This record gives sequence, structure tokens and C-alpha cells, in this order.
Amino acid sequence: GAVVSQHPSWVICKSGTSVKIECRSLDFQATTMFWYRQFPKQSLMLMATSNEGSKATYEQGVEKDKFLINHASLTLSTLTVTSAHPEDSSFYICSVPGLATYEQYFGPGTRLTVT
Amino acid sequence: SQQGEEDPQALSIQEGENATMNCSYKTSINNLQWYRQNSGRGLVHLILIRSNEREKHSGRLRVTLDTSKKSSSLLITASRAADTASYFCATASNQAGTALIFGKGTTLSVSS
Repeated sequence: GAVVSQHPSWVICKSGTSVKIECRSLDFQATTMFWYRQFPKQSLMLMATSNEGSKATYEQGVEKDKFLINHASLTLSTLTVTSAHPEDSSFYICSVPGLATYEQYFGPGTRLTVT
Repeated sequence: SQQGEEDPQALSIQEGENATMNCSYKTSINNLQWYRQNSGRGLVHLILIRSNEREKHSGRLRVTLDTSKKSSSLLITASRAADTASYFCATASNQAGTALIFGKGTTLSVSS
């Protein structure tokens, strides 16, 4: 299966600053990647679908101008949290779908804390 | 979006006991998967059951699927303290390349 990495694994930033999170598919070309968000003691919620070479698709309620997604290559998608606020503190996880419907490869996640 | 409820939300048992978690979903699925997540960590894939299967085993895990009721259960037998984690079901549609939709999860605590 695909190996997916995320960087950084954790980050602390001050309110009002922007933070970039990278998701890399190390051994699998991914035209699509997914970004999930998980608040403490809650489940994973799909935020957006990152599409290589085109605009991301955002789930209802997710601000596209706040969560900028760039999928410039088949192995890298980035999520930038702009003007971060404490309520953006969360665990962000990306995933790469495989060729079959049952295949989904998750990154290890990035914990963002906004102070 | 989330598929539905998992129950119980929290479960506390003693080592050696069995733990059963349930998951319900709303839409048609191609398969249903169960994941484990230790506190603050990433997801670990446990088991997958296809929509045309009713039961599947893997080691101490037993998964059932009832597509007529749109529900699944995960049974962990002879639990260990190391099984302490959150467990999530996730469903996949019939279309390849789509995101998984997660249930709300069950937090399992196994005490020794």
C-alpha cells in the first residue's frame, strides 16, 4: 500500500498567523487526497478533497478562504490554515485513496495548537 | 459529514472481558472498515468487511455487517489493556477514490 507522510507532526502557532501542513504520498501517485479534521474526543470529519492541478472541493461549512489547499504535484498536497485562531486547534489528517474502493492510506496526522 | 452513531460512546471493561461496539450508517456502501486510534495518534486499520459479507474474523476481532439494518458490530474478545483506544467505523461508497465517512467512535478503556 501507499505510504503517506505529514509534516510537521505537531505545530504551535500564535493566533493570527498562518500554518502550512504538508501531506506527501511517498510511493504512490495521487491525483486526489483528502483532508480530515478531528477535534478532541471527536471523530474525523472530512474537510476537503484535494485535486491535483485543479481547485479543491470543500465540504459544507468549511471556509475555503481560510483553509487553502494546494495540490501542485502527484505526491504533495498542502493545507494552509490562514489567520489561525484557537478554535482551529485540531488534529489534521490526510489520506490517499488507492485504486480499489476499500483502499485508503492515512497520514500520521498533524496536531495544531493555536495559542 | 458523518454516517451515524456508534454505541456505546464509551466502554470500560476488565482485562479478559469481551468488548462489543456498534456502528450504524445511512447510505449504501461498498464496504465498511474499522479503525483504531490511540490517544493523540494516527489511525490503524483493523478490518474490512464488504457489503456482500455478513461476518469476518481476524485474530481476536469479529465484525458483523447487516446491510438491511445498515449496522455493523465489532467484537474484541479476551481484551487486553493494550486494546485501550478509540474505535471508529468508516464506510466507503461504491465509487473508487472517494473519501471514507467516519462514525462518531467508541472509546474503550480496558483496565488490568
